[in-house]
Amino acid sequence: DSGVTQTPKHLITATGQRVTLRCSPRSGDLSVYWYQQSLDQGLQFLIQYYNGEERAKGNILERFSAQQFPDLHSELNLSSLELGDSALYFCASSVDGNSYNEQFFGPGTRLTVL
Amino acid sequence: DAKTTQPPSMDCAEGRAANLPCNHSTISGNEYVYWYRQIHSQGPQYIIHGLKNNETNEMASLIITEDRKSSTLILPHATLRDTAVYYCIVRVDYPGGYQKVTFGTGTKLQVIP
Repeated sequence: DSGVTQTPKHLITATGQRVTLRCSPRSGDLSVYWYQQSLDQGLQFLIQYYNGEERAKGNILERFSAQQFPDLHSELNLSSLELGDSALYFCASSVDGNSYNEQFFGPGTRLTVL
Repeated sequence: DAKTTQPPSMDCAEGRAANLPCNHSTISGNEYVYWYRQIHSQGPQYIIHGLKNNETNEMASLIITEDRKSSTLILPHATLRDTAVYYCIVRVDYPGGYQKVTFGTGTKLQVIP
């Protein structure tokens, strides 16, 4: 158990819909990262937040957005969903944003778009 | 940003050392090499990281070549529970304290009884 929690575990929805994925980092961690993993693909970095502010952006679509709240939990919003958005979405956290700290990953949310 | 190249799959006999190679020929001076593994769609798990020197912890050893263009992760006594996809990652630190991590498709290690 990494200490990072993600809800829900599974989500099934239809094309065109909007969903929100939630992540609670490990206690004391200030940085949150979001990743997408499609079937048989590696992890694609989406976005990083540090203490409530966006720090780095990866391959995040304009239909996707995220935020980190004052209590440091984070939400990833996916809108106008397409079939290709079906994937595992992982959240990770680290103590801060510097290079000496590993990321701790949550169990993931499996999104299925029908 | 530096990219990494790993063999798509490897087998290793249980109890033997597993040596997983990674090529990162375009790595630059401030980029760290990280290794994570992912067991069957679980969240990835950190293993080890290094910059220039070889590193060892309770899970594995990391050997980085002198020119830093490649590295090898060594699991000294592989067990069946080490069957996983292993990712070699180069992590770039930018001014302001943020970093960017690019995962590849990794090496699928199968430990054979």
